[in-house]
Amino acid sequence: GEQVEQLPSILRVQERSSASINCTYENSASNYFPWYKQEPGENPKLIIDIRSNMERKQIQGLIVLLDKKAKRFSLHITDTQPADSAMYFCAAHTGANTGKLTFGHGTILRVHP
Amino acid sequence: DAGVTQTPRHEVAEKGQTIILKCEPVSGHNDLFWYRQTKIQGLELLSYFRSKSLMEDGGAFKDRFKAEMLNSSFSTLKIQPTEPKDSAVYLCASTTGTSAETLYFGSGTRLTVL
Repeated sequence: GEQVEQLPSILRVQERSSASINCTYENSASNYFPWYKQEPGENPKLIIDIRSNMERKQIQGLIVLLDKKAKRFSLHITDTQPADSAMYFCAAHTGANTGKLTFGHGTILRVHP
Repeated sequence: DAGVTQTPRHEVAEKGQTIILKCEPVSGHNDLFWYRQTKIQGLELLSYFRSKSLMEDGGAFKDRFKAEMLNSSFSTLKIQPTEPKDSAVYLCASTTGTSAETLYFGSGTRLTVL
C-alpha cells in the first residue's frame, strides 16, 4: 500500500506572499503525484501534477517539486491571492495497472488581504 | 462531455434508515472510486472498481457500507443501517484506469444522519 503525509494542515499567509505545502510518501514505486484544489462546497479539481521522470514543474504561479530520493514532493504557490484560499490535497499513484490514488489529509490555505 | 454525476446532492436520514447514493462515471472510464470526506479523517477510500469488478473494499467500512457497479455507467453506495457518525460528504470519482491519469470527482452527496 501507500501512505501519504501532508503538512501543514492549516496555512495562513498574507496576500502576495508564497505558500508551500509538503507531502511525503512511503512507496518508492509511486510514479505520479497530482495536487487537487477543493473550494468550499465544490469537488476536488486537479490543478497540477508531476510524474516521477521530472523534478520540477511549473504552471503559471504553481510550482511542484519532487525529490524521489527523499520521497517528498511539494506545492508552492507564488504571489498568492485570496482566490487561492481553499483545501489542497496531495496524492500519490502507485504501480501499474491501477488508477488508485492515495491522498494526503489536506491543507486548508487561507490567504488574507 | 459529462463529468461524474452524483445524486442526490443532499440526503437527510434518520438513524437506522437505509440510504442509497448514486454515481455515473465519466463515459469510457474504467475505474470508479467512492470516498468519504470528513474534516477529521480527510478523504477515505470506501470502494474501488475496475471494469465493474470490486478491487478494493475499505476494511473499516465493510460492515454497513456496500458499493455495487452493475454496469459500466452506474454505481451505487448503500449504507444500512445509517448512524449519525456516517454524516459526511460522499464523493464518487472516475478515471481511465489505463495509467496514472486525472481523477475526476463528482459534486458529492452531503449526508446528514439525525
